[in-house]
Amino acid sequence: EPEVTQTPSHQVTQMGQEVILRCVPISNHLYFYWYRQILGQKVEFLVSFYNNEISEKSEIFDDQFSVERPDGSNFTLKIRSTKLEDSAMYFCASKGQGIWQPQHFGDGTRLSIL
Amino acid sequence: DQQVKQNSPSLSVQEGRISILNCDYTNSMFDYFLWYKKYPAEGPTFLISISSIKDKNEDGRFTVFLNKSAKHLSLHIVPSQPGDSAVYFCAASAFFDYNAGNMLTFGGGTRLMVKP
Repeated sequence: EPEVTQTPSHQVTQMGQEVILRCVPISNHLYFYWYRQILGQKVEFLVSFYNNEISEKSEIFDDQFSVERPDGSNFTLKIRSTKLEDSAMYFCASKGQGIWQPQHFGDGTRLSIL
Repeated sequence: DQQVKQNSPSLSVQEGRISILNCDYTNSMFDYFLWYKKYPAEGPTFLISISSIKDKNEDGRFTVFLNKSAKHLSLHIVPSQPGDSAVYFCAASAFFDYNAGNMLTFGGGTRLMVKP
């Protein structure tokens, strides 16, 4: 069964550094998402991406964050000037065409900011 | 953000019995509801969904019920198996248009433990 893959599984970075989290969505999907889950908290929406542009973003997704689909298969989340509070599990998801289609999630990248 | 709420943080059930997981929502714009299962160190795995035009959807041992007037949905697992032990999240989205992202709003999760 097709799946969403994320790399790396764990990223440790010094505060203030930039990180890029990578995702390969399911190949025929058109909608792409990033969510995060801080330890002990709910899964939170960050951003959605469709037709090569951001379609929705949350208040969390400020100028520190950016997303890109650099080629036909990868979808990346860049976090600049990382802060301690950016430590979380980051999940990528993708969805096919259609109103009521489920989003499928990758296994996440655990980001630890030191 | 309490738009989607799962009031039971944990549930323990005997193998073979029914597991009922509940979820409440407040946003009347939500029109699509999903249940995800999550094991440690893995991402949420899609289990079953229901659109607002239905009140029940069934897939094997899993049935989701939607009560729009009460803004309540539930997931029934019958019979429960030890392999069902995981954290279950309900999530909801609202459709605006095809260009919108249809972001998911998650509940806090319920940890289900099925005892052999």
